[in-house]
Amino acid sequence: GQQLNQSPQSMFIQEGEDVSMNCTSSSIFNTWLWYKQDPGEGPVLLIALYKAGELTSNGRLTAQFGTTRKDSFLNISASIPSDVGIYFCAGHRYSGAGSYQLTFGKGTKLSVIP
Amino acid sequence: DAGVTQSPTHLIKTRGQQVTLRCSPKSGHDTVSWYQQALGQGPQFIFQYYEEEERQRGNFPDRFSGHQFPNYSSELNVNALLLGDSALYLCASSLPTGNTEAFFGQGTRLTVV
Repeated sequence: GQQLNQSPQSMFIQEGEDVSMNCTSSSIFNTWLWYKQDPGEGPVLLIALYKAGELTSNGRLTAQFGTTRKDSFLNISASIPSDVGIYFCAGHRYSGAGSYQLTFGKGTKLSVIP
Repeated sequence: DAGVTQSPTHLIKTRGQQVTLRCSPKSGHDTVSWYQQALGQGPQFIFQYYEEEERQRGNFPDRFSGHQFPNYSSELNVNALLLGDSALYLCASSLPTGNTEAFFGQGTRLTVV
């Protein structure tokens, strides 16, 4: 099935550093969502973006909806050990008959070194 | 406020068997979607249920079927299990209209042996 292009695949950073990851697509999306998933758990919604160019923050997290509607990025400032996990971007596109299907990236695995 | 709950959390089945997974949506949500997440991959959309009907389906064979009950809870059924069906199955609930946020359950880990 289709997946978004998410990068980097993995990253190792020192505690306190800032992190940036992004997601691109060949298709336009109406909404971009960012999730975090811990091992053995379901994805937890971090940020939702609804308009092209929108910049939204949630604590130390900041995400932007690209102006072309084909990309998004997520920044994490001053990383802490509990930021460890896999981050997924997801695009929401109206797919007919009033339904909304989420398309996910492959994830960015974040490791934080204390 | 109860979030999305799924049962069971883990399941082991033999090839050829059938399995049923269950999901209760977040309070106030009436739309349920199912996703399959293989190891190291992002979730893949299976189908979505609204008003007790399948409203949208992803690229999955007819062995995958579902049901939604009047209380909005849902089941995912998989027949004739294959080894490749081993995955984390995720249920997500959302509101039915507009650009909307989907909330996921903890998933059911299915292992087919």
